[in-house]
Amino acid sequence: EVQLVESGGGLVQPGMSLRLSCVTSGFIFEDYGMHWVRRTPGKGLEWVSGMSWNSGRIEYADSVKGRFTISRDNAKNSMYLQMNSLRPEDTALYYCAKGMDPGETTMLYGFDMWGQGTMVTVSS
Amino acid sequence: SYELTQPPSVSVSPGQTARITCSGDALPKHYAYWYQQKAGQAPMLVMNEDSERPSGISDRFSGSSSGTTATLTISGVQAEDEADYYCQSADSSGTYVFFGGGTKLTVL
Repeated sequence: EVQLVESGGGLVQPGMSLRLSCVTSGFIFEDYGMHWVRRTPGKGLEWVSGMSWNSGRIEYADSVKGRFTISRDNAKNSMYLQMNSLRPEDTALYYCAKGMDPGETTMLYGFDMWGQGTMVTVSS
Repeated sequence: SYELTQPPSVSVSPGQTARITCSGDALPKHYAYWYQQKAGQAPMLVMNEDSERPSGISDRFSGSSSGTTATLTISGVQAEDEADYYCQSADSSGTYVFFGGGTKLTVL
């Protein structure tokens, strides 16, 4: 059974940092692109960042570029999101999502498996 | 920044057909993907590459794309279909992923 489990969310003040983790099981992690997607209250889903299977391709949404850093550890079947200089508008439920197509180096695919999310609240 | 436009809400009676549209200038170039998200649950892929139904998804769900509009069609709508639906695609360069604003499907 494929599982994706996020952790690391919490309540932080503006300007502070958080590191999210996504631990996976049930599939060959090193073969698939992985992404972070957030759902903000009242605004729906927003893609945050994605990374190809071999870490050769990394992309960020404009809203987080320069503040967030995505990474993965294939030996641990895990993905991470380092979030710095957090803003109130970053408040959201953060999901990790698995790309559908193995070995794909673009971002042109759907996400066939999702975690349950970890909540990040940025407020003073 | 690229935008995918969906109607905020669609309402249908049980047994009727619901059609949810997604408009974007780059849709002639890139596939659309559709997700269903029920309250308190993670999104679930219900349509892949415009019109391919993933394993386990009811055949009441179908998809199409023409020009700058992709459409998710749900035939014989049931109460269990009530959810938020999101389209996903890429900008013209194929570099970035975008989601539509979401459509709340209400079963009357």
